[in-house]
Amino acid sequence: AQSVAQPEDQVNVAEGNPLTVKCTYSVSGNPYLFWYVQYPNRGLQFLLKYITGDNLVKGSYGFEAEFNKSQTSFHLKKPSALVSDSALYFCAVRDPLNYGGSQGNLIFGKGTKLSVKP
Amino acid sequence: GAVVSQHPSWVICKSGTSVKIECRSLDFQATTMFWYRQFPKQSLMLMATSNEGSKATYEQGVEKDKFLINHASLTLSTLTVTSAHPEDSSFYICSARRGTPSSYNEQFFGPGTRLTVL
Repeated sequence: AQSVAQPEDQVNVAEGNPLTVKCTYSVSGNPYLFWYVQYPNRGLQFLLKYITGDNLVKGSYGFEAEFNKSQTSFHLKKPSALVSDSALYFCAVRDPLNYGGSQGNLIFGKGTKLSVKP
Repeated sequence: GAVVSQHPSWVICKSGTSVKIECRSLDFQATTMFWYRQFPKQSLMLMATSNEGSKATYEQGVEKDKFLINHASLTLSTLTVTSAHPEDSSFYICSARRGTPSSYNEQFFGPGTRLTVL
């Protein structure tokens, strides 16, 4: 079965330091991978996605993620964290069995709370 | 970017009453809409997927008679929680995907609706 794992419930980083939020996946085919951010009592905002091509994907707000097929990982990174980056981050994979179908819903990880201290 | 709105953002109701939540795609036509439920400090759980003009597809364990979904137009989907009970209290998030069914099309998320059943 397809699944996404975010091994860390919370990541604490000092402002200005680099941050990494980890994500690993398990799918039967080639994955389409996504990162979303959620601020308190708000919906999800799209950060970036990997479909194909360059393994390093750049997204919104200075975030980037690297697709590593051998390690089945798609870790989210940012060179210099901001206090405003503090939020809940979700990794998600598109169900490959539903490519092109009318469904194709996202499978989400449990989320990682990022806390950036001044 | 594409915008998805939800109304109301917050609702409190008495046990046994019904509550309707609207989800609208403001600047695009949503071929497919998704309804998610999120418990505190947990990930999003897909409840159902709906395509305009057809019946919704419910995930296993979701009562279709309790959570009525109507996708009457390409810009509007509604979720009605019938005979609500305190255990239905949750954060409900809708998502919309535009264009033809394709794995490349992103899902855009609404801001969520906080339902509290007394």
